[in-house]
Amino acid sequence: TQLLEQSPQFLSIQEGENLTVYCNSSSVFSSLQWYRQEPGEGPVLLVTVVTGGEVKKLKRLTFQFGDARKDSSLHITAAQPGDTGLYLCAGDSGNTPLVFGKGTRLSVIA
Amino acid sequence: EAGVAQSPRYKIIEKRQSVAFWCNPISGHATLYWYQQILGQGPKLLIQFQNNGVVDDSQLPKDRFSAERLKGVDSTLKIQPAKLEDSAVYLCASSLAPISGEQFFGPGTRLTVL
Repeated sequence: TQLLEQSPQFLSIQEGENLTVYCNSSSVFSSLQWYRQEPGEGPVLLVTVVTGGEVKKLKRLTFQFGDARKDSSLHITAAQPGDTGLYLCAGDSGNTPLVFGKGTRLSVIA
Repeated sequence: EAGVAQSPRYKIIEKRQSVAFWCNPISGHATLYWYQQILGQGPKLLIQFQNNGVVDDSQLPKDRFSAERLKGVDSTLKIQPAKLEDSAVYLCASSLAPISGEQFFGPGTRLTVL
């Protein structure tokens, strides 16, 4: 069974701080997706990383896929209250359903 | 472009009762998914349809859960009879491609079983 471990589980920071959340697995994935889910809504895709070592930037968010395609990180620079939400990573092995981690619940306090 | 629609948004039932959820995917999306998201966890796939055929239902508790997508568009998910541990948010998602495609999620139905 493929598992994705996300850490930390909860994170509460002040506006303007930087943070990094992690997504780790013992399995290799062909790609990894990051979603953000706000209360009462479904997850929304932020980015898909495909190549080992790949770095993608989305405004203040930087996503990295590990060289071995087993892990990923999300770094947020100068966090804002609008970044508050549940960040989920999901691994795609190409021929099985997406596997989601439990998520990191981020709270950015103004 | 309209997103994935789900109804109802909230449902409260007593254990052993039945409940049904409805999903209308994005127009043109052939692949439809039903996920269960228990509080504090990530979504877990229950069933995946490609048009009106089932691609994967390995994690669907078939003794009580059923789903159909008769005309390859709308889908319903039913629970009969419900148990306390079925309390969760049920998310519907759709995608253009069945593998590795971006999934678009609906807002979910929050089910509480008392």
